[in-house]
Order: sequence, then structure tokens, then C-alpha cells
Amino acid sequence: AIRMTQSPSSFSASTGDRVTITCRATQGISSYLAWYQQKPGKAPELLIYAASTLQSGVPSRFSGSGSGTEFTLTISCLQSDDFAAYYCQQYYDFPPTFGGGTKVEIK
Amino acid sequence: EVQLEESGGGLVTPGGSLRLSCAASGFTFSSYAMNWVRQAPGKGLEWVSSISSSGYYTYYADSVKGRFTISRDTDRNSLHLQMDSLRAEDTALYYCARAPRSSMARGVDDVFDIWGRGTMVIVSS
Repeated sequence: AIRMTQSPSSFSASTGDRVTITCRATQGISSYLAWYQQKPGKAPELLIYAASTLQSGVPSRFSGSGSGTEFTLTISCLQSDDFAAYYCQQYYDFPPTFGGGTKVEIK
Repeated sequence: EVQLEESGGGLVTPGGSLRLSCAASGFTFSSYAMNWVRQAPGKGLEWVSSISSSGYYTYYADSVKGRFTISRDTDRNSLHLQMDSLRAEDTALYYCARAPRSSMARGVDDVFDIWGRGTMVIVSS
């Protein structure tokens, strides 16, 4: 199975910061990469698919980039609503696999 | 409104069985592949099983293969997960999720765009 590694696993940031989360795959997955946001006690929500396509309704401060084995999720100007856990997921190969998650906390 | 609502979770002893259900509303259920994803307490997400839009193709994680069975009832717009021979490591919040684009006739090659709130399964003696 393809392993997805996210970094960092957690970090603290302030409202207004630009933040970047990295996701690496153990083999090439083209652009078959999604990002999800999960707030405490809630179900995950799809933010980005195909590495860089914003899901309908997701604010434009979120962006995704990358292809092959290295991907990034960027939040251009962190808002209070963005403090959450973020997961990447590859859907290039079976089984679909998720990264371990990155928790964004308030500084 | 597009919605998924899981039910059927609970406390079960090791070796026992449970049947999870997911009621879908607000979209044409028969047109979408459906999935189960779980999350152990304090842990990350783990894909469990998928079923194609037709119901003909099913897929399972190695960790549950031979013990879990996914099925769908198009007439009732519902998804099910029959869980047998349950183990402590199956303890998790189980989410039902929709795949928005792929029929999954060729594999689990899609993302998960709509999720339910989850139903908790606890396997413990």
C-alpha cells in the first residue's frame, strides 16, 4: 500500500498567518491527491481534490499544489475557523490511504 | 439537502457482530459509489470498504476482508456494513461517505465528498 506522510504532525499558528502542510507519498500518485479538514467532534470535509482543485464552497484562501510524490496544502491567511486537523488522501492506487494528519492549533 | 446518517453502532464483545446502516437523502443514491471510513479514538482516518454504484463491485481493506460485508439497498437508499468476528482493534467511529465522480467499477479511485456524522463501534469484553 502507498504510505502517505504528513508534516508537521502539529503546529501552532496565529490568525492571519500563511501556513503550509506537506504530504509525501511513498510512490508516485500523479495528481490523485485530496485534502480534508476535520474539526473536533465533526466529520471530515473535502477541501481539495486532484491535488489543486478546490471543492465547491471552500474558501479561496485554501490552495493545493504538487504532483508525483510531494504535495502541499496552503492556507493563505489563517482564520479562526481554520484551526482543525487536516488529512491528505491518495486515490491513485488500491487501497486508498490517508496521511496521519496535521493538527493546526492556536498560538 | 444532501445528507448521510449512520446508525447501528454500539458496544459488542470480541467475536460478536454488528450491522451498520447509512441512510442517504437529497441525491440519487443509485448513481454514486459509497464507502465506509473509520477513525479509532484519537487517531487518523482509515478506509474500510467501498461498493460501486451498481452494487456489483465491492472492495475491502485487508484488515477487515473476510469479516465485513458491504451492501446497498437502492430501493431504500441505504448502505450497510455487516461486521462479524469483531476485534478490539475495530473500535472506531464509522463514517459513511459518498464518492462524487467514480462508479468504482474499476477500483476505489475517487475521493469522499459527503460524510455522515458517524456511528461509534466499541469492541470490548
